[in-house]
Amino acid sequence: NAGVTQTPKFQVLKTGQSMTLQCAQDMNHEYMSWYRQDPGMGLRLIHYSVGAGITDQGEVPNGYNVSRSTTEDFPLRLLSAAPSQTSVYFCASRLLAGIPPSTDTQYFGPGTRLTVL
Amino acid sequence: GESVGLHLPTLSVQEGDNSIINCAYSNSASDYFIWYKQESGKGPQFIIDIRSNMDKRQGQRVTVLLNKTVKHLSLQIAATQPGDSAVYFCAENGLGGGADGLTFGKGTHLIIQP
Repeated sequence: NAGVTQTPKFQVLKTGQSMTLQCAQDMNHEYMSWYRQDPGMGLRLIHYSVGAGITDQGEVPNGYNVSRSTTEDFPLRLLSAAPSQTSVYFCASRLLAGIPPSTDTQYFGPGTRLTVL
Repeated sequence: GESVGLHLPTLSVQEGDNSIINCAYSNSASDYFIWYKQESGKGPQFIIDIRSNMDKRQGQRVTVLLNKTVKHLSLQIAATQPGDSAVYFCAENGLGGGADGLTFGKGTHLIIQP
């Protein structure tokens, strides 16, 4: 298993550009999520999905869109990049346990470091 | 307000010594806590978790202690090794978003001195 993979590892955008951060997992996990990590702050949840076709907003969803057309993939789209979106983005996945949380099975990807100029 | 934080941003210990990393939480309704390790340039990695019906849980070289009275969580790492150098942060299932409702702390950078 490759686990959780993210592409690209690094990206530089100009203000107003759009792009998609890719996330894929091969563990058949129902639950997938996107976080951003900023200096001096904890991980903050952007969007999450409990299964294909189901997505919901996290704590900081503004400026981001997601979709979940398959169990494996959970792309994050920046519609019009802003400097405030400069951050490291992590995708995570885990089984959706009946008695939450069972996050000993949560896996994080290696991250995408995004800079918006 | 509700928050999860760590007392020290940086902790430096000698190789072979024991390390104790602390975490304070303010949401008394939280009943599940997790410690993560994040090495430079990598994603967070689960270390150990504990539920509120427990005071202590041990893993391999790591122990998590939970004091619900003072809302305090700690991670003890025995006989620290160079590979333990990383940022450690706690998480609680307080008022965060998502199916887990997790809120993450800011992290403590553990530095292992040779």
